[in-house]
Amino acid sequence: AQSVTQLGSHVSVSEGALVLLRCNYSSSVPPYLFWYVQYPNQGLQLLLKYTTGATLVKGINGFEAEFKKSETSFHLTKPSAHMSDAAEYFCAVSDHDRDDKIIFGKGTRLHILP
Amino acid sequence: GAGVSQSPRYKVAKRGQDVALRCDPISGHVSLFWYQQALGQGPEFLTYFQNEAQLDKSGLPSDRFFAERPEGSVSTLKIQRTQQEDSAVYLCASSFRQADYEQYFGPGTRLTVT
Repeated sequence: AQSVTQLGSHVSVSEGALVLLRCNYSSSVPPYLFWYVQYPNQGLQLLLKYTTGATLVKGINGFEAEFKKSETSFHLTKPSAHMSDAAEYFCAVSDHDRDDKIIFGKGTRLHILP
Repeated sequence: GAGVSQSPRYKVAKRGQDVALRCDPISGHVSLFWYQQALGQGPEFLTYFQNEAQLDKSGLPSDRFFAERPEGSVSTLKIQRTQQEDSAVYLCASSFRQADYEQYFGPGTRLTVT
């Protein structure tokens, strides 16, 4: 069965600093991986996804993630944090060998320090 | 066009009451998903529809939970005899077709059972 582990339930970075949110996955099939962002009182929004092809995936708002099979990782990065990036971020894997449901990690809350 | 909408946004129920939560997916989206998000946790899969067919209900926590999508568009999640542990945000998501892997989420319904 697929699962994801997000390291760190809270991460704080200074405005302008590098953002790194860690995600490791477990999957019995080649994984489809996702990062979602959830702003306060809003629904989940897809940041980026990896299905096949290029392992470095670019998403919205300057975020990107790299699929590393050897490390079973899909870490999310952004070169320079902005105050508006403060939100909850969820790494997820698709159970695509059975159906389309998505299995989410527990989330990482990103705090941006002025 | 309109996104996924859910109603009500907030629901307070006394323990033992029945509740019904509605989801209006994006028009034309074939797949519809329900997730439960407890406080401080990631969303957890409940059930999945493709058109009117419920293809996976493995995540429904008990037989008190029931979901339907009779005409392949609007869906209702019903919880009978609510318990305090049912308190959570219930998220609905839709995608254009099976194996689309890009799910669009609604804002959720926050259920509080007192």
